[in-house]
Order: sequence, then C-alpha cells, then structure tokens
Amino acid sequence: DAGITQSPRHKVTETGTPVTLRCHQTENHRYMYWYRQDPGHGLRLIHYSYGVKDTDKGEVSDGYSVSRSKTEDFLLTLESATSSQTSVYFCAISAPRLAGELSSYNEQFFGPGTRLTVL
Amino acid sequence: QQQVKQSPQSLIVQKGGISIINCAYENTAFDYFPWYQQFPGKGPALLIAIRPDVSEKKEGRFTISFNKSAKQFSLHIMDSQPGDSATYFCAASKKGYSTLTFGKGTMLLVSP
Repeated sequence: DAGITQSPRHKVTETGTPVTLRCHQTENHRYMYWYRQDPGHGLRLIHYSYGVKDTDKGEVSDGYSVSRSKTEDFLLTLESATSSQTSVYFCAISAPRLAGELSSYNEQFFGPGTRLTVL
Repeated sequence: QQQVKQSPQSLIVQKGGISIINCAYENTAFDYFPWYQQFPGKGPALLIAIRPDVSEKKEGRFTISFNKSAKQFSLHIMDSQPGDSATYFCAASKKGYSTLTFGKGTMLLVSP
C-alpha cells in the first residue's frame, strides 16, 4: 500500500466550515497528489506537490488549498466547505520504478480515501 | 475539455467471457497509458500500463492494445472472473510530467 494513510477516513461537516484532510506517507516520496472522485466524473486532480513547499494546481483546484511543510505530510484544506465538495478524496504518491521498460515513468499509489459529506 | 474519453460507462460480462474497455485521447503529447483497477471502498491500484512504442502488452489475463494512429487504447480481460468485478480507469500522462489524466471509469460486473 506504499505506506499511505489518510485521516480522517470519514467526515460529515456543515456548509461554511473549514475542513482539513491529511495524507501521510512513510517512504519519503517526492511527489504527492490530491484527487476527488465523483460518480460520472472519475478521478480529478485537485492539487499536487513536487517537494516540500512546492505545490501546483490541478484540474479542479477552486475552493481548495494545500500545504506541504514536511516530506511525509500533504494537507488539503477546504477553507469554507460547500455541498459541491461532498466527495471521496484520494491522496496518491508517485514512486519511480527502479527497473523495467517503464522505468522513466512514475507509478501512482493511492491511499484508502476520505469520504467527506458537506451538509 | 475531456482529454481521455472512456467507454462504456458500465459493462456486464458472463464468467469466462472477454471484457473490453476502450479509451481515446486527443493530446499527442501523451506517452504513458496506465490502467487502474478499483474495488469498492478502496483506492485505485495500477493494473497494467503501456507506452506507445509497442502495440500490445499482456500480463496474465489482462492485455492492453494500443493504436497510436487512431489515438485509442483498450483493456481486454480474458476469461473474466467474478473477482474482476470492479471499476476500471484508463489514464494518460505526458513525458516528463508526473500528473495523470483519468478517464471517467467503467464499472465492470462479471456474472457467475
């Protein structure tokens, strides 16, 4: 499972409240990602990080912010949650393959997900 | 703009049959095409991947067929089993980039 944990695993909150989701990895990988998964939309990239304090926006970044102050932790914050942010959130890390024909490309490993409900 | 189009949305196959899921892309800069498998309540996991310099890659019962000129690739699951019932996502990334663009997913049900 590439040593990825997400917390909390489930959360119910109210519209307008701030919410922070945590992704923790134990294997010192450089790249980390936050996705949301919604029926009919598949997986959409929210933000990603390519190092401590280095982050960039993904496809659906509006309403979300991220921080990475340590290699092992990547935080996703909803400053003021809305019902449209009800979703399952997945964290992923990118690990280079050490050998084989795909050695130039990185395989992404996903965490177990956080189910967020905004009422 | 949907950069990776996946079809069908759902698929029912009898045990022992062949499951086929198709994806099409438009961006010719894509050069890495993985397939992910996701079981309910779990995160997606890499199943098999291909680069465009080969037309086919096989791993056990799973095969990726790749048509560079048509900008299409597909996943074939031979001898489909009930344990293969899951959601499958195709994805693509550009050389030198770590981010993946995913298709919308196909929910596969293999009936016993």
